[in-house]
Amino acid sequence: AQKITQTQPGMFVQEKEAVTLDCTYDTSDPSYGLFWYKQPSSGEMIFLIYQGSYDQQNATEGRYSLNFQKARKSANLVISASQLGDSAMYFCAMREVTGNQFYFGTGTSLTVIP
Amino acid sequence: NAGVMQNPRHLVRRRGQEARLRCSPMKGHSHVYWYRQLPEEGLKFMVYLQKENIIDESGMPKERFSAEFPKEGPSILRIQQVVRGDSAAYFCASSPGTGFENTIYFGEGSWLTVV
Repeated sequence: AQKITQTQPGMFVQEKEAVTLDCTYDTSDPSYGLFWYKQPSSGEMIFLIYQGSYDQQNATEGRYSLNFQKARKSANLVISASQLGDSAMYFCAMREVTGNQFYFGTGTSLTVIP
Repeated sequence: NAGVMQNPRHLVRRRGQEARLRCSPMKGHSHVYWYRQLPEEGLKFMVYLQKENIIDESGMPKERFSAEFPKEGPSILRIQQVVRGDSAAYFCASSPGTGFENTIYFGEGSWLTVV
């Protein structure tokens, strides 16, 4: 089974609007971390936001927030007030308390339309 | 970029040659990961190393690929006798620890093209 599932291969959003990028995960570990990364066309992987499985509050970092629904095993990324520079691939990732890997989803390509 | 240094950024090799990719982790990080990204795909785990030790190489192809992280110097991912299918972006990442709350920070990647 896939550890991380991103079902939206591509998304479009109007500049200044908010957008939600979906991510569901699969783990039986009691503790885990969830991460989002951004990969612009230049190729580097940029860390955006982290959510721990025991965190009571949803994580926020500037215009990024993580809508964490533990029972549904979802960790959706919300980008508010989209900017043209937000156009990129976005990857959801998980790290379990057991094991050494970060598991990545297949990514969502976001295009911000002026 | 959080300070993970990879070189070269771009590497072209002919089939059968060797490719060596280098990675210096962020200062204070002793855990290094290598990932491969094929065109239009996500990242696939290859290997996890700590200084002088390979901890998990479950994602590494059994042949032609090797990795090391010596006591001194950068981590090296070595691909011998490259084939066209090795063309990909290879990302190195580092973290300060192994706890699930520890973020890994990526380098800018090394793009290997095999001709």
